[in-house]
Amino acid sequence: AQSVTQPDIHITVSEGASLELRCNYSYGATPYLFWYVQSPGQGLQLLLKYFSGDTLVQGIKGFEAEFKRSQSSFNLRKPSVHWSDAAEYFCAVGYGNQFYFGTGTSLTVIP
Amino acid sequence: SQTIHQWPATLVQPVGSPLSLECTVEGTSNPNLYWYRQAAGRGLQLLFYSVGIGQISSEVPQNLSASRPQDRQFILSSKKLLLSDSGFYLCAWSVQLAGGPDTQYFGPGTRLTVL
Repeated sequence: AQSVTQPDIHITVSEGASLELRCNYSYGATPYLFWYVQSPGQGLQLLLKYFSGDTLVQGIKGFEAEFKRSQSSFNLRKPSVHWSDAAEYFCAVGYGNQFYFGTGTSLTVIP
Repeated sequence: SQTIHQWPATLVQPVGSPLSLECTVEGTSNPNLYWYRQAAGRGLQLLFYSVGIGQISSEVPQNLSASRPQDRQFILSSKKLLLSDSGFYLCAWSVQLAGGPDTQYFGPGTRLTVL
């Protein structure tokens, strides 16, 4: 069965520091991978997606993610975090019209 | 461009009352449509999805039902709300891109509180 794991429930970083959010998936075929961000009381916004080609994908708001097939991972990174990045982040795997979401990582940014 | 609307934005209902949440999509045709529930501090739970008018798949047995009366309209309903129905309800749509996967896009959500 397909599954998505985000091992970090909550992460706190200082503003200006680098960020890496982890995502591991269990899937039998070529995965389609997504990262979404959710601000409090809002819907989910697509940050980036990967489905083929270059394993390093760029997204909005300065985020990037790297697909590593050997590690079944799709970690999200940002070199310098801004206070406005504080939010909930969800990793997802897509297969056709089915989507599987991780449980999310809550990011706190301290000044 | 495509947009997705949900209403109402917030709703407070007594236990046992009916529910109707509406979701509409603009700027695309024949989208796949989804209803998710997000309990406080938790991830997304897929409730229903639809690949076409009148075609509804239920993922979790519950007190809720869904309908798709028009191509770009998706309705979540209940005849009698339970306290456990409280949560943040998200509608989403997806379309398969040529040579690529479906990509899912979310509405702004409805905050439902059942008292």
